[in-house]
Amino acid sequence: QVQLVESGGGVVQPGRSLRLSCAASGFTFSSHGMHWVRQAPGEGLEWVAVIWNDGSHTSYSDSVRGRFTISRDNAKNTLYLQMNSLRGEDTAVYYCVREYSSIWFAFDYWGQGTLVTVSS
Amino acid sequence: AIQLTQSPSSLSASVGDRVTITCRASQAISGALAWYQQTPGRVPKLLIYDASTLASGVPSRFSGSGSGTDFTLTIRSLQPEDFASYYCQHFNSYPYTFGQGTKVEIK
Repeated sequence: QVQLVESGGGVVQPGRSLRLSCAASGFTFSSHGMHWVRQAPGEGLEWVAVIWNDGSHTSYSDSVRGRFTISRDNAKNTLYLQMNSLRGEDTAVYYCVREYSSIWFAFDYWGQGTLVTVSS
Repeated sequence: AIQLTQSPSSLSASVGDRVTITCRASQAISGALAWYQQTPGRVPKLLIYDASTLASGVPSRFSGSGSGTDFTLTIRSLQPEDFASYYCQHFNSYPYTFGQGTKVEIK
């Protein structure tokens, strides 16, 4: 069965860096675009970033562009999110999400999430 | 960026009620819309994609409709497990924004 397992979250001071990982299994990882979505405590969902199945293209939300970098290692079935210059407003649960392709797209599988807390 | 506005932001309903949530896009997105359900402490779950296609395993009391800028999620007969937050999301172009959410509470 499809599994997405995030790791790397924790408490970090403002201005510091953190790298999240997402280990994928149960499907052909290299065939799917992958995304990061976050959810601040008590708030709604916010799309963060995407990387195409072959890693050839990435895109970011305005709130993280220039600070976060999404990448993947298809040989290791792993997705990453490098987060630099962290701010308090980056505090959230970060979800690794699989993209499903139909006529359009959808997010069909979500990891359990990893909590990132940015605080001094 | 395309904005999605959901209404209402919250609603109170009873078991058995018919519930309708709307999602309006700031520009036309064809049928590139999905709906998700999130219960407290849980991961979001895909309900509807391509505006009107029911995701695998989702009960048939859920349905989606719309195209262009106006979309609707309908729950035909609300069940106890349906009390949750619901989000729409577009896939027309990056960024793939979400609506702000609609919380369905027990009356």
